[in-house]
Amino acid sequence: GAVVSQHPSWVICKSGTSVKIECRSLDFQATTMFWYRQFPKQSLMLMATSNEGSKATYEQGVEKDKFLINHASLTLSTLTVTSAHPEDSSFYICSAAPGHSSSPLHFGNGTRLTVT
Amino acid sequence: AQKITQTQPGMFVQEKEAVTLDCTYDTSDPSYGLFWYKQPSSGEMIFLIYQGSYDQQNATEGRYSLNFQKARKSANLVISASQLGDSAMYFCAVYTGGFKTIFGAGTRLFVKA
Repeated sequence: GAVVSQHPSWVICKSGTSVKIECRSLDFQATTMFWYRQFPKQSLMLMATSNEGSKATYEQGVEKDKFLINHASLTLSTLTVTSAHPEDSSFYICSAAPGHSSSPLHFGNGTRLTVT
Repeated sequence: AQKITQTQPGMFVQEKEAVTLDCTYDTSDPSYGLFWYKQPSSGEMIFLIYQGSYDQQNATEGRYSLNFQKARKSANLVISASQLGDSAMYFCAVYTGGFKTIFGAGTRLFVKA
């Protein structure tokens, strides 16, 4: 089956620094990837849709200057949390769109970000 | 815009019994897909079952079945013969065009021995 690799699986950073999270589709090309954020014991909240070769589409309320998304190739999308603050601490999970409509999203294993 | 409602924040079930997790959805698109995912404490999202809006029959995958009532916009997940390993968060999700998928709040299932 399709594999999505997300790295790092966890990261601790100091307030004010930036953190980059990578999402790679290992055995297929993903023109569209999605970034979700999940607070403890809550649902997955869609942050943005990442399209290869074009600007990401952000959901309402998500700061595009805070969460920079780059989808430079068909197998890699990155999320950079800029000038991180403790309230940015969360579980971030990426997913890649499937090849056809009846297939589920292919998820990475998520990144747990802690900002101190 | 799509919306998913899961009204059961937590559910308990005895091992080997069946359990139904509720899900209602709201979308104006005539064509959509419904999914259920399982998320154990480790965090990964595990796909369980899919139902297309035009599918006439309810989807089944092993111990999982989806009770799809289109007119009521309901897509309940039924887990038969619950196992201890079924304890996890369960999310109902809907997508329309472009694979953009929206998730419900989730239901935490506890399976008792």
